[in-house]
Amino acid sequence: AQSVTQLDSHVSVSEGTPVLLRCNYSSSYSPSLFWYVQHPNKGLQLLLKYTSAATLVKGINGFEAEFKKSETSFHLTKPSAHMSDAAEYFCVVTSAYSGAGSYQLTFGKGTKLSVIP
Amino acid sequence: NAGVMQNPRHLVRRRGQEARLRCSPMKGHSHVYWYRQLPEEGLKFMVYLQKENIIDESGMPKERFSAEFPKEGPSILRIQQVVRGDSAAYFCASSQITLAGGSSNEQFFGPGTRLTVL
Repeated sequence: AQSVTQLDSHVSVSEGTPVLLRCNYSSSYSPSLFWYVQHPNKGLQLLLKYTSAATLVKGINGFEAEFKKSETSFHLTKPSAHMSDAAEYFCVVTSAYSGAGSYQLTFGKGTKLSVIP
Repeated sequence: NAGVMQNPRHLVRRRGQEARLRCSPMKGHSHVYWYRQLPEEGLKFMVYLQKENIIDESGMPKERFSAEFPKEGPSILRIQQVVRGDSAAYFCASSQITLAGGSSNEQFFGPGTRLTVL
């Protein structure tokens, strides 16, 4: 079984300040972890993924996330927020191995990021 | 290289009508997944298909919902006799086949179809 908890439903930051979106996961197997971004009325775009290689993962648009097994966390960060970062962000877990756990992506409820000019 | 395509983007139906949602996977992808996103919720897995095969439909409601991925043409998610509770965004994703023959767990999403049931 696997689950994802996104600790904040809404985060608001000023433009140019750091972004931190928190995610904790639970998985019976070695997990693969992803962050997706969804802009209003758009599809989901993959920001970054962790698949048991380096624990610090760099993604697109300056985002990165660190896999911490001891804390079962995969928080998303960005040093400096931009207005275009305003969107909803989803943390996703799946199994790194084959079987239903590997393709049934389990989504968190999402965190809406607002960026204040 | 076109991404995952879904149509229509918006669909309005009255209670009791049928809704048909279409999904064309990315070129070279042979695995299709459907997810539903209810308001204020994350996406929930519904069904996983390969060409002419339903691999896993454990997330599909037992009644009124069906999915297919024919040899030719797009994947179709069909909802019969829609009810207000079916109003949601329905997303399709596709993935490649892995070297091991299984599904890659990196899925590419389409823009979704927003279904509104009046």
